Amino acid sequence: AIRMTQSPSSFSASIGDRVTITCRASQRIGNYLAWYQQKPGKAPRLLISAASTLQSGVPSRFSGSGSGTDFTLTISSLQSEDFATYYCQQFYDYPPITFGQGTRLEIK
Amino acid sequence: QVQLQQWGAGLLKPSETLSLTCAVYGGSFSGFHWSWIRQPPGKGLEWIGEINHSGNTKYNPSLESRVTISVDTSKNQFSLKLNSVTAADTAVYYCARGFREVFGVFIKTQYYSTYDYWGPGTLVTVSS
Repeated sequence: AIRMTQSPSSFSASIGDRVTITCRASQRIGNYLAWYQQKPGKAPRLLISAASTLQSGVPSRFSGSGSGTDFTLTISSLQSEDFATYYCQQFYDYPPITFGQGTRLEIK
Repeated sequence: QVQLQQWGAGLLKPSETLSLTCAVYGGSFSGFHWSWIRQPPGKGLEWIGEINHSGNTKYNPSLESRVTISVDTSKNQFSLKLNSVTAADTAVYYCARGFREVFGVFIKTQYYSTYDYWGPGTLVTVSS
């Protein structure tokens, strides 16, 4: 199975900060990658598909980039509602579809 | 507006069978793939498997011997059964819709593995 490793696993940031979360695949996966946001007690919410396609209704401060093995999710200016856990997911070679372990973003 | 509603038993004893159903309201049922994903308390997401409207399935190899996903297109529903549960199967179980994406430059391939709609989740606890 393709292993997805996110970094950092958790960190603190302030409102207005620019934040970057990294996801690394254990082998090349093209752009077969999605990013999700999850808040406590809620289902994940799709933010980005195909590594860089912003989903309808997702604020433009979110962006995704990367291809191959290295990917990033960037939030250009953190808002209070962005404090959550973020997951990357690959589907290049499945089954199984695999997710990163998650990055927990907390308020500083 | 698309909504996924899910239900099933929330408390099981070891060795019993987990059974969950997800109903899809709004939108097409046949134009998507339908998946189950779980999340143990305080942990990350684990993909269980998927099915399309024709009943074609793919499963996580780590669970394949115990999992069955089925579909009832007459009701726009799909279901999950997981046999011989243990405490390690305690998790919130989500149903989700995978939408069509096309990848490839010269050879185009369809994927239905990015999830745009999710059910609210069902906590299933396995305890004696």
